[in-house]
Amino acid sequence: QVQLVQSGAEVKKPGASVKVSCKASGYTFTGYYIHWVRQAPGQGLEWMGIINPSGGRSTYAQKFQGRVTMSRDTSTSTVYMELSSLRSEDTAVYYCARDLMTFDYWGQGTLVTVSS
Amino acid sequence: QSVLTQPPSASGTPGQRVTISCSGSSSNIGSNAVNWYQQLPGTAPKLLIHSNNQRPSGVPDRFSGSKSGTSASLAISGLLSEDEADYYCAAWDDSLNGPVFGGGTKLTVL
Repeated sequence: QVQLVQSGAEVKKPGASVKVSCKASGYTFTGYYIHWVRQAPGQGLEWMGIINPSGGRSTYAQKFQGRVTMSRDTSTSTVYMELSSLRSEDTAVYYCARDLMTFDYWGQGTLVTVSS
Repeated sequence: QSVLTQPPSASGTPGQRVTISCSGSSSNIGSNAVNWYQQLPGTAPKLLIHSNNQRPSGVPDRFSGSKSGTSASLAISGLLSEDEADYYCAAWDDSLNGPVFGGGTKLTVL
């Protein structure tokens, strides 16, 4: 069965960087795009960007350009999302989700807390 | 401020039918398919409806979606207490070159 398993919760200080992983299984890794979406406490869903695991090309939402980097490792079927220059407003649950148009499977989420 | 507009809350009693609206523009709903997601408390979103009105395998037929012009709706019939959750609409936006979400609707089963 399709599964996206994310790395564990992180606590970071303002100005630091965080790297969240999303390990895919149960399907052909290079056959589906992966999105990253975040959800601040009590808030809605916010799209951050997308990566094509086949060629590694990424597209980022304008809001995050310059601060986010998405990458993948085809040998382990894992995608990564790194967010730099963290500030308190980046405290959120970060999700990976599969498929270009439908977000048909989601990871369990990774809580990133930014606090001094 | 979300690109797609949803009512913040909706409610109904068990067995009732409720609808949740989602309003957009020509660059998103007007030209692309709409998806709906259900998010139970403390869990990740789950795909409920894709391509405007298609249910993934395992989603009860109590859930249905429709689209007209730049608006879409999610209908839930035979409301159950387990349907209490947050519901989000989403669509690709050609101007932003990425997906956009509604702000979410919190459904309460009275």
